Parts: sequence; structure tokens; C-alpha cells
Amino acid sequence: GAVVSQHPSRVICKSGTSVKIECRSLDFQATTMFWYRQFPKQSLMLMATSNEGSKATYEQGVEKDKFLINHASLTLSTLTVTSAHPEDSSFYICSAGLAENEQFFGPGTRLTVL
Amino acid sequence: GQNIDQPTEMTATEGAIVQINCTYQTSGFNGLFWYQQHAGEAPTFLSYNVLDGLEEKGRFSSFLSRSKGYSYLLLKELQMKDSASYLCAAGDSNYQLIWGAGTKLIIKP
Repeated sequence: GAVVSQHPSRVICKSGTSVKIECRSLDFQATTMFWYRQFPKQSLMLMATSNEGSKATYEQGVEKDKFLINHASLTLSTLTVTSAHPEDSSFYICSAGLAENEQFFGPGTRLTVL
Repeated sequence: GQNIDQPTEMTATEGAIVQINCTYQTSGFNGLFWYQQHAGEAPTFLSYNVLDGLEEKGRFSSFLSRSKGYSYLLLKELQMKDSASYLCAAGDSNYQLIWGAGTKLIIKP
């Protein structure tokens, strides 16, 4: 099956710092990658859809200036949480589309902002 | 509006069978997915149905009725490792996934 990796798996940072999370499709090219956030005991919430070579499409309520997404190549998308605050602490998960309506998830990144 | 409904929590006994139901309403429809998610981990793909009927894959089966906007995930011969959350997601006309809140399945010995 298709493999998607994320790095780092866990990160702890101080309030006000920025954190970059990488999402890579290891054995396929993904023109579209998705970024999700999941709070404890809640379902996945789509943050944005990342398209290679173009600007990301953000869901309503997600601040695009705070959550910077770059999809520079067909195998890499990055999410940068800028000026992170404790309320940004969450589980961030990316997925990559292999085909229409088929997504494979990365292992997730646990972000803790102190 | 778009909506996915599934039970919040279910309990079953090891070795038994459990059925997790999901109803959906979406703008357009491009398939119904089931994912398994263990605590602290990302979801893993279980099944995809786009046509009516039952898809069987080992101990897990998934059923879809498009006319009723209904799906279920059937787990047989339950094992303790099946304790997890099971997420139902429907693809809409834009090929985006609309997620249910997940069903937490508790397996008791």
C-alpha cells in the first residue's frame, strides 16, 4: 500500500515559537495532500487541502496566516504553525491522495505548546 | 447540510460479532470509507464502498445502501486488539471526505 510519513512525530515547544511539520508520500506522487487536526476524543477536522504548485485551500475558521502550508513537490507538503500557543496543542495528521477519493494517512504529529 | 451519524460508543465481547452503523447526508456522493483509529495513532484504512452491497475482507465486512444513505461495518471473531475508534467518512461531490465523530468500540474478555 501507499506509505505516507510525517516528521516529527512529537514536538514540544514554547509559546510564541513556530513549528514545521513535514508530510511525505514515500512511494507515490500526490498532487493533493490534506492536513487534519484532531483534538482528544474528537474526530478529524480538515484544516486545508494542499495542491502541488498552488496555494492551499483552507477550511472555514482556519487561519491561513497562522497555519502556513507549502506543497513544493509531488511528494512533500509542510505545515508551519506560526507563533504557536497552548490552544494549538493537538494531533496534526496529513493524508495524501493516491487517486480520487482515496487517502492514505501519515502517522500524525503530536504538538504540545507550553 | 452534510452530516455523518454513528454511535458514540459500543461494547462487545471477545469472539463475538459487532455491527457499527453509519448514516450520511452529503452533497453528492463518491463512496463511503471506514477507518480504524487506535488511541494516539492516525487512522488506518479499512474499507471503501461505492456500490450497494457487502464487501468482505477477512474478519471485517462493510455494507452500503446508497438509497438509504446507510452503511455498516461488521466485525467478526472480535479480538482485544479490535478495541479502537471506528470512523465513517463519506466522499462528497468535491471528493472531500466528510467525517463522522467515530464510534469507540470496547472489547471485553
